[in-house]
Amino acid sequence: SQKIEQNSEALNIQEGKTATLTCNYTNYSPAYLQWYRQDPGRGPVFLLLIRENEKEKRKERLKVTFDTTLKQSLFHITASQPADSATYLCALYILTGGGNKLTFGTGTQLKVEL
Amino acid sequence: NAGVTQTPKFQVLKTGQSMTLQCAQDMNHNSMYWYRQDPGMGLRLIYYSASEGTTDKGEVPNGYNVSRLNKREFSLRLESAAPSQTSVYFCASSGTSSSYEQYFGPGTRLTVT
Repeated sequence: SQKIEQNSEALNIQEGKTATLTCNYTNYSPAYLQWYRQDPGRGPVFLLLIRENEKEKRKERLKVTFDTTLKQSLFHITASQPADSATYLCALYILTGGGNKLTFGTGTQLKVEL
Repeated sequence: NAGVTQTPKFQVLKTGQSMTLQCAQDMNHNSMYWYRQDPGMGLRLIYYSASEGTTDKGEVPNGYNVSRLNKREFSLRLESAAPSQTSVYFCASSGTSSSYEQYFGPGTRLTVT
């Protein structure tokens, strides 16, 4: 069966450290992988997209890697701040004949402490 | 621009009642989506509309119907609500951006008793 797995346990880190979140998937061949941020009581907000032929993508303090052999993406936040505390969702973008759809993981909650 | 708006924000229904969740976007996007989010299950696609005049089932369509009223509006209807439909419902839209990002509304928290 097809699965997307993100660590369900919250990740607690100290301010200034690098946070690393993992997204693993099985039985998918995604064209793209996206990361979203979700704050409590709000809808997800798009952060980054990485294509299957890209190994790494950066945006300010964010870095995403995509290993299609391992079927894994890593999401890094460098110099983390308390304002980075949120739930981070990975999503696989599957190209289909009837319309392109996103399939989401369950998300990992990040808490950045002072 | 308001982005994606949803009404209502909160709703409590009794089993068997019906209701329609409204969604509108002002970004001229072709595609619109309805998701539900449950603890431990993540976001699951209920229905989507790739363009005005078309709708397709997602992962969990049973118990729901949708209408793409025009390019801006995409509504989700529960004909006979069940407790299993207690969830947070998100509407989203996407355009032709090369990043294929989806823009989400603020959500509707629905409780069925």
